[in-house]
Amino acid sequence: GIQVEQSPPDLILQEGANSTLRCNFSDSVNNLQWFHQNPWGQLINLFYIPSGTKQNGRLSATTVATERYSLLYISSSQTTDSGVYFCAVESMIYNQGGKLIFGQGTELSVKP
Amino acid sequence: DTEVTQTPKHLVMGMTNKKSLKCEQHMGHRAMYWYKQKAKKPPELMFVYSYEKLSINESVPSRFSPECPNSSLLNLHLHALQPEDSALYLCASSQAQGTGNTIYFGEGSWLTVV
Repeated sequence: GIQVEQSPPDLILQEGANSTLRCNFSDSVNNLQWFHQNPWGQLINLFYIPSGTKQNGRLSATTVATERYSLLYISSSQTTDSGVYFCAVESMIYNQGGKLIFGQGTELSVKP
Repeated sequence: DTEVTQTPKHLVMGMTNKKSLKCEQHMGHRAMYWYKQKAKKPPELMFVYSYEKLSINESVPSRFSPECPNSSLLNLHLHALQPEDSALYLCASSQAQGTGNTIYFGEGSWLTVV
C-alpha cells in the first residue's frame, strides 16, 4: 500500500521562528490533507492540497504531486501552534476511496 | 458549517459492558468514517459508510459494530472490549467517498476499557 513519511518527527521552536514540515508519499494520490491535532485530540483541517500552493494566514502549503511530496510552512510561530501535525493521503485505488493514510506526524513544541 | 459532533467525549467501560459512541453531521455529507487512534500514533481507518451502506471494514474485530441509521448519524456499538481497545475514536465525514473531497473530523471520543 501507499507509504507516507513525515519529517522531522519532532521540532522545538522559539516563538517567532519559521519552520518547514515535509511529507513524502510513495504513489499517486487523490487527496492530501494537512491536519493539526490539538492537545484535546481534535484533528483540525489546515489544508486540502492534492497539488499546488495554498496560504492561510501564517500557514502555507505546497504539494508537488509529480515528485510526491508536500511541504507545510509555519511562519512567525506562536505557542498555540504546538501540537502534532499530520499529513494524510487518499489512495487513487478505487476500493480504497475515503481511506486516509496518515504519516507518523511531526510533534511541534513552540517555546515562549 | 463544517462540524462533526461526537458523544460522549469521554467513556470508561468495563470489559463486560455494552456502550455506544455517536457521531452526527449536518453538512449533507454522504460518506462517514470511524478511525481509531492509539497514544502517540496516527489515526487508522476502521469503517467507511457510503450512502448509509458499509463500504469498507478494515478487518475490525466483531466486538466493534458500526451502524448508520440515516445519512446524518453514525454509531459505533461496543461490546466485550479489551483494555487494549482503549484509544481515541474519531468520526469523520466527507461529501462522498473516494472522490478526493476534504474529510472533516470530530473532536473524538476518549475510550478507556477497565
